[in-house]
Amino acid sequence: DQQVKQNSPSLSVQEGRISILNCDYTNSMFDYFLWYKKYPAEGPTFLISISSIKDKNEDGRFTVFLNKSAKHLSLHIVPSQPGDSAVYFCAASEGNQGGKLIFGQGTELSVKP
Amino acid sequence: EPEVTQTPSHQVTQMGQEVILRCVPISNHLYFYWYRQILGQKVEFLVSFYNNEISEKSEIFDDQFSVERPDGSNFTLKIRSTKLEDSAMYFCASSEPFYGYTFGSGTRLTVV
Repeated sequence: DQQVKQNSPSLSVQEGRISILNCDYTNSMFDYFLWYKKYPAEGPTFLISISSIKDKNEDGRFTVFLNKSAKHLSLHIVPSQPGDSAVYFCAASEGNQGGKLIFGQGTELSVKP
Repeated sequence: EPEVTQTPSHQVTQMGQEVILRCVPISNHLYFYWYRQILGQKVEFLVSFYNNEISEKSEIFDDQFSVERPDGSNFTLKIRSTKLEDSAMYFCASSEPFYGYTFGSGTRLTVV
């Protein structure tokens, strides 16, 4: 039962270019979405979130777009930096207070100098 | 910056033994969680804890698992009789609200 899917296991981009990571979900009850970055042997680190009442949220180089009708969200990183190389997880929740997160499988981003 | 602390970082145990994984959540957070990640798979929810009781648990969180907040600062996950398939990274998290949903660095549990 994959309620949150990241269909691209890996992505490679050149330094300075845009990285676009995609995520699809099936549960229409999800109304809060988060992106996490994870390095090996470390816990997920929160990057950015978006509520279902918005379609865009921006924080520095990171922008998350939400298309509710398509049940799709994406994370844009621009410009990409080598330090951005990590596994990126999309996560979703019903509500933003104390609920469990459902994670996607992750996309490994490699930013090449 | 406040962080969630987990100990030990790596635990090796024999099948059938009990293990306790420990976590110190961020002090002003009220919601606490355990997640796990089996090697190569996605991060999976185990249990959430609020107001000194379990608020939600997944199918994975069966009778061999239990959680406790024994002293107001620590949050523990106990696995009573470990199985080989319990080998995974276990992540503790705390939140209040989601913007503060913070994960610890994890405990790698290896059951042999």
